[in-house]
Amino acid sequence: QQQVKQSPQSLIVQKGGISIINCAYENTAFDYFPWYQQFPGKGPALLIAIRPDVSEKKEGRFTISFNKSAKQFSLHIMDSQPGDSATYFCAASKWNGQNFVFGPGTRLSVLP
Amino acid sequence: ETGVTQSPTHLIKTRGQQVTLRCSSQSGHNTVSWYQQALGQGPQFIFQYYREEENGRGNFPPRFSGLQFPNYSSELNVNALELDDSALYLCASSFYRGYEQYFGPGTRLTVT
Repeated sequence: QQQVKQSPQSLIVQKGGISIINCAYENTAFDYFPWYQQFPGKGPALLIAIRPDVSEKKEGRFTISFNKSAKQFSLHIMDSQPGDSATYFCAASKWNGQNFVFGPGTRLSVLP
Repeated sequence: ETGVTQSPTHLIKTRGQQVTLRCSSQSGHNTVSWYQQALGQGPQFIFQYYREEENGRGNFPPRFSGLQFPNYSSELNVNALELDDSALYLCASSFYRGYEQYFGPGTRLTVT
């Protein structure tokens, strides 16, 4: 019940295309859903996050879509750039920030 | 504003030894969480410290222990090292026991 599933495992997109990564969770007590971007040799960097009282949140080229009834959320990267090539992790947490659960990650490659 | 820092960057230990990893939280943050990230996987929550007390723990054995100091910096101690403990150890800080966690660059531990 603590697991967060993430797909695809890897993704190749042409420059300017849209990258879409999907996640699903089981625990209905989760109420915070962040996405992290990680470059090789670096710690994860917070990209964007959403809470279940909204269905969509947009920050620049990054959009989270949230479907509470399906217990799914996704990250859309518009106008993907080679600099976006990294591993992306979705995560879920309860209100008190304990027990952050991360997905297994998606390795994104954006071709020039 | 100073970000999360961790030391050392890399560490090589022998099976059975003990190790201490250190983390300085971001300015203004009073909560520190520790994660283990095996190669090619998402971070796994070890435990969280808030106001010098453990505030939640993941599925890790007692030989993983920690401390938080009055200045909110933190240590992760691992006793009786095993080969499977080889991983990137990440520290994340947040304001209160809240949601937005900011990660340090990690400590790469290799157990031989």
